[in-house]
Amino acid sequence: QQQVKQSPQSLIVQKGGISIINCAYENTAFDYFPWYQQFPGKGPALLIAIRPDVSEKKEGRFTISFNKSAKQFSLHIMDSQPGDSATYFCAASNSNYQLIWGAGTKLIIKP
Amino acid sequence: DGGITQSPKYLFRKEGQNVTLSCEQNLNHDAMYWYRQDPGQGLRLIYYSQIVNDFQKGDIAEGYSVSREKKESFPLTVTSAQKNPTAFYLCASSTTRRTEAFFGQGTRLTVV
Repeated sequence: QQQVKQSPQSLIVQKGGISIINCAYENTAFDYFPWYQQFPGKGPALLIAIRPDVSEKKEGRFTISFNKSAKQFSLHIMDSQPGDSATYFCAASNSNYQLIWGAGTKLIIKP
Repeated sequence: DGGITQSPKYLFRKEGQNVTLSCEQNLNHDAMYWYRQDPGQGLRLIYYSQIVNDFQKGDIAEGYSVSREKKESFPLTVTSAQKNPTAFYLCASSTTRRTEAFFGQGTRLTVV
């Protein structure tokens, strides 16, 4: 119930294409869903986040789509660039002040 | 500049030794966290603290210890009881669970 399942584990996208990463959860008490971006040897940094009262949030080329009934949310990166190559983590917040993390997706954008 | 500082960046430990990883933040955040990250893996919570002089075990607390004597500081000790300590350790802080967690740059610990 506390898990967040993330897919795919790795993803290769051509420059200019759309990158899509999916996450699913079971616990309906989760109420905060962030995406983090991590470059090698660095700590993760918040990219974009959504709450379950909205179905979509867009910030520049990054969009979160949220499907409350299906208990799924996804990250879309439009016009993917080589600089977007990183590991992306989805997460969900529970009532114990903890972020429950997905396993991560290693994204490679081919020039 | 505000942020989280972890030190050292790289740490080598002999088997049987305890080592302490430093984490300092000047963001005035109440909550602080320690995570472990293994290659190709997600983040696993070791310990977290929501207030000074109080902390809670996370999912993988065995072999680790922490203290929270000051709001700014949350050091992690990796004890000799931790069977497989080689990993990338990340410290984070936040105001509450509903806001952004800020991460340090990490400490890579290697047992030699």
